[in-house]
Amino acid sequence: GEDVEQSLFLSVREGDSSVINCTYTDSSSTYLYWYKQEPGAGLQLLTYIFSNMDMKQDQRLTVLLNKKDKHLSLRIADTQTGDSAIYFCAETPSLWQGNLIFGKGTKLSVKP
Amino acid sequence: DVKVTQSSRYLVKRTGEKVFLECVQDMDHENMFWYRQDPGLGLRLIYFSYDVKMKEKGDIPEGYSVSREKKERFSLILESASTNQTSMYLCATRTELQTQYFGPGTRLLVL
Repeated sequence: GEDVEQSLFLSVREGDSSVINCTYTDSSSTYLYWYKQEPGAGLQLLTYIFSNMDMKQDQRLTVLLNKKDKHLSLRIADTQTGDSAIYFCAETPSLWQGNLIFGKGTKLSVKP
Repeated sequence: DVKVTQSSRYLVKRTGEKVFLECVQDMDHENMFWYRQDPGLGLRLIYFSYDVKMKEKGDIPEGYSVSREKKERFSLILESASTNQTSMYLCATRTELQTQYFGPGTRLLVL
């Protein structure tokens, strides 16, 4: 079945770049997503990428997709303390259903 | 902006009670979803709906039911709450661009 894997923790210093990695198993996934969850809050859509793209950049965020290896990454440039949160990778295995398969989330801690 | 609201942020119920969690979206989206989020398990899909009065089971539907009488409202029902249903419940709606937008979540404690 579908599965999405990500490392559970990442710690960086303020001002450094953060790279959060994700692997997925469903090669038919059309869309891949990154969500951010701050403590006590719902999930906020950060960005998404279509499977026919290799890269997408949006201000401090860069998403890289390697379809051959089924690997997705999120790079946050100039990481700030406000970026501390849990980041979820997700894929859409079925456009008809539209449900998302989530990874377990990577907790990003930013040290001043 | 897409707006998804959930009726309660925090809820405390007793074992055996019937519990209603309400979700409302203001964007006329057809697809709506209910997930639960638990530490170490991530988000798991309970039910989803792709139209009024239509529903489909997700990965963990046992102990839950849903209702979609109007397009903007999707309700999750715990027929007889149990302690293992203590969790964070998240509602989402899907846009035409296939992205999902989430509500703020309801943290449910069943005693």
